[in-house]
Amino acid sequence: DAGITQSPRHKVTETGTPVTLRCHQTENHRYMYWYRQDPGHGLRLIHYSYGVKDTDKGEVSDGYSVSRSKTEDFLLTLESATSSQTSVYFCAIRATSGDYNEQFFGPGTRLTVL
Amino acid sequence: AQSVAQPEDQVNVAEGNPLTVKCTYSVSGNPYLFWYVQYPNRGLQFLLKYITGDNLVKGSYGFEAEFNKSQTSFHLKKPSALVSDSALYFCAVRAIYNNNDMRFGAGTRLTVKP
Repeated sequence: DAGITQSPRHKVTETGTPVTLRCHQTENHRYMYWYRQDPGHGLRLIHYSYGVKDTDKGEVSDGYSVSRSKTEDFLLTLESATSSQTSVYFCAIRATSGDYNEQFFGPGTRLTVL
Repeated sequence: AQSVAQPEDQVNVAEGNPLTVKCTYSVSGNPYLFWYVQYPNRGLQFLLKYITGDNLVKGSYGFEAEFNKSQTSFHLKKPSALVSDSALYFCAVRAIYNNNDMRFGAGTRLTVKP
């Protein structure tokens, strides 16, 4: 999985609680992404980062925030989880050299909001 | 914004037969196109990409894809399917002017029967 780890791998939480998912990379890539995967929708971009403390919104950013204080870590936070945020969350990286490089994905985190 | 359509939710083929998984896209300007495969409980794995040049792109595990600009299609193909090719396949598109906004299709589940 291209040196990408995600934690936790599974989480069950209750509506209204805060949740933070962590993505860690070992290869010092500049670009990191958070996606959610839902049946019938494929993957949809939540937020991405193009450097330490540099982030931007994706297609489905409402209800999510991110932070990147170190190159290797990209955190996704659900401030107050809702049942509609039950999903599988994937982190991805893109190699810095070359604008046309593909993304590589982590193993995913399955989040269930009750 | 760019978008991808995978018109078939499910494709069934017999082992040894050729397979095709269809993808059409919409984007302003020239596209970067990608195919990914997902096995159960795993992240997405990169198969191949089209950036420019030859319309027939060869990738991992014997897969290839043909870029057709006039039909805005990027179909995935393999001459002889294996049972181990059974998985979920995603097509993705990115505009060359926005390297961080990649859009995925909903996915096609390929089943190869012995």
